Amino acid sequence: KAGVTQTPRYLIKTRGQQVTLSCSPISGHRSVSWYQQTPGQGLQFLFEYFSETQRNKGNFPGRFSGRQFSNSRSEMNVSTLELGDSALYLCASSLTSMRGETQYFGPGTRLLVL
Amino acid sequence: GESVGLHLPTLSVQEGDNSIINCAYSNSASDYFIWYKQESGKGPQFIIDIRSNMDKRQGQRVTVLLNKTVKHLSLQIAATQPGDSAVYFCAENREGSYIPTFGRGTSLIVHP
Repeated sequence: KAGVTQTPRYLIKTRGQQVTLSCSPISGHRSVSWYQQTPGQGLQFLFEYFSETQRNKGNFPGRFSGRQFSNSRSEMNVSTLELGDSALYLCASSLTSMRGETQYFGPGTRLLVL
Repeated sequence: GESVGLHLPTLSVQEGDNSIINCAYSNSASDYFIWYKQESGKGPQFIIDIRSNMDKRQGQRVTVLLNKTVKHLSLQIAATQPGDSAVYFCAENREGSYIPTFGRGTSLIVHP
């Protein structure tokens, strides 16, 4: 079974631009979560989608948004990029969105904002 | 990976030794805990989990201990191997919450 895939793997943008990252979950998984990882803040939860609906949201500004498609693939968008948005963005999938269910992480998209 | 940032606590061990990685959690209402391993260039990988109604759980070469009194979690790795070199995170879930809170991570270096 193929794992979670994320595209692109690396991205360089400039301040003020916007970016869209893509995540394809493991086949059959309907829950997709997004995380931001930085040296300063560590791993932080962004949001979680299940059946095309945002079910849970972390403490990030509205510039961070996402969506999920009917095939469970998910995208996240960051508008008006700031230098502090430079990070590794991780996507994780699980069968449903129940607590205690193992999440499988993708390799991440490394975003550098200049 | 990105988790291997500056000033991460580091544990260096010799191959074959047992490793103990510690994690202090903050919320007494947390009832579910997970340990993840993150190798360079990869996303976190689930290792083992434990619920608050247990104080010990064993997996293959790994054991997680939970001390709710002092809000402390540890991961023990038996017969540590070079392939165990990675950053290890604990994560806690508050009762009823889906959203995990991750610890800062510990870098484990295994010397052959």
